[in-house]
Amino acid sequence: DAGITQSPRHKVTETGTPVTLRCHQTENHRYMYWYRQDPGHGLRLIHYSYGVKDTDKGEVSDGYSVSRSKTEDFLLTLESATSSQTSVYFCAISDPSGHYEQYFGPGTRLTVT
Amino acid sequence: GQNIDQPTEMTATEGAIVQINCTYQTSGFNGLFWYQQHAGEAPTFLSYNVLDGLEEKGRFSSFLSRSKGYSYLLLKELQMKDSASYLCAFRRDSSYKLIFGSGTRLLVRP
Repeated sequence: DAGITQSPRHKVTETGTPVTLRCHQTENHRYMYWYRQDPGHGLRLIHYSYGVKDTDKGEVSDGYSVSRSKTEDFLLTLESATSSQTSVYFCAISDPSGHYEQYFGPGTRLTVT
Repeated sequence: GQNIDQPTEMTATEGAIVQINCTYQTSGFNGLFWYQQHAGEAPTFLSYNVLDGLEEKGRFSSFLSRSKGYSYLLLKELQMKDSASYLCAFRRDSSYKLIFGSGTRLLVRP
């Protein structure tokens, strides 16, 4: 299994508070992704990174920002959490050394009250 | 544009064979992926097809027809633990990102 961890695994926070989720990999994969998964919507790409300090927006990026200062870490920040951001968040990694198949972290369940 | 479709739910019997279909539309294509996701867990990579034909991996096989924009995942000798969602995804030419379908929830009954 690919070495990917996410922290925290569960979080409950209040509307309007900032939240940062961390993804850490030990595989030295170049590409990293943040998805959210909600019933009826499948996996939706929030942001992705194609290298250190190189990031771009996905299909549902509003209200989220990311940073990647090291190959192994990709941070997702909700600047001011809203109830609509209650979801399960998955980090994934991929690399051109394979077929770009993505390997997923265990997920973070975020509840915004 | 690009789109990917798969049935929402399927039910099958333990010991049987089930085929989960996936159709996609894209202006460029560079690989079809299948993932398994058990409830409350992360998706796990099952298979990859880039050429037409059948790839077999134990009880699971995946088929691709690029001309038809069609793939299927075949699960043989179904076990209760195969109850999960199965996600289809494709990669476009010159892109490293994957486009995921919404997933097919498979329920295996005794």
